[in-house]
Amino acid sequence: KNEVEQSPQNLTAQEGEFITINCSYSVGISALHWLQQHPGGGIVSLFMLSSGKKKHGRLIATINIQEKHSSLHITASHPRDSAVYICAVHLGAGGTSYGKLTFGQGTILTVHP
Amino acid sequence: DGGITQSPKYLFRKEGQNVTLSCEQNLNHDAMYWYRQDPGQGLRLIYYSQIVNDFQKGDIAEGYSVSREKKESFPLTVTSAQKNPTAFYLCASTLHGGASSYEQYFGPGTRLTVT
Repeated sequence: KNEVEQSPQNLTAQEGEFITINCSYSVGISALHWLQQHPGGGIVSLFMLSSGKKKHGRLIATINIQEKHSSLHITASHPRDSAVYICAVHLGAGGTSYGKLTFGQGTILTVHP
Repeated sequence: DGGITQSPKYLFRKEGQNVTLSCEQNLNHDAMYWYRQDPGQGLRLIYYSQIVNDFQKGDIAEGYSVSREKKESFPLTVTSAQKNPTAFYLCASTLHGGASSYEQYFGPGTRLTVT
């Protein structure tokens, strides 16, 4: 079993729909990232969370440390949101991960006009 | 503009040849990382370096080698011993690998095809 599990693996939506991608992890972490990867391959960091909730434009990320779960929400989705969304965590407490990330397998999001 | 550059974007090699992937950053970051991505799988850590002249193996280091002679550069060599070298390779960096800095920056990646 992977230490970081994302669901769903594939997600198709119509423009304007509210989208949720989930991430669960099995061990303690010090921080969690949500990343976006476009077809060209480059990765952009969307959020870094260690508790609570963060919002940037139409994107919202939440994390529940006790339940070992995080969600990424996209409001009013748009075709340009089509990408792979990746959850990644720093395993262990404090700085024991030495900045290394452990990744989920990614969620492929396609938003149709 | 600060960032990470990887070159080339696409690289083709014959089986049995060693190949070196470039990664350069001008962010003044201490820590650098190499990840590999295969279709349908999450990224996996190959090597990482927290400081110049020091590096550590990641989860899948076999068949790879690295060097860190300069702070801004962390080249990855894919040797002929790597059984399945065809993959997408991503370089990343953070200010340092300690507890207070987790923001990680990624390069654009190099897609290596070995035939």
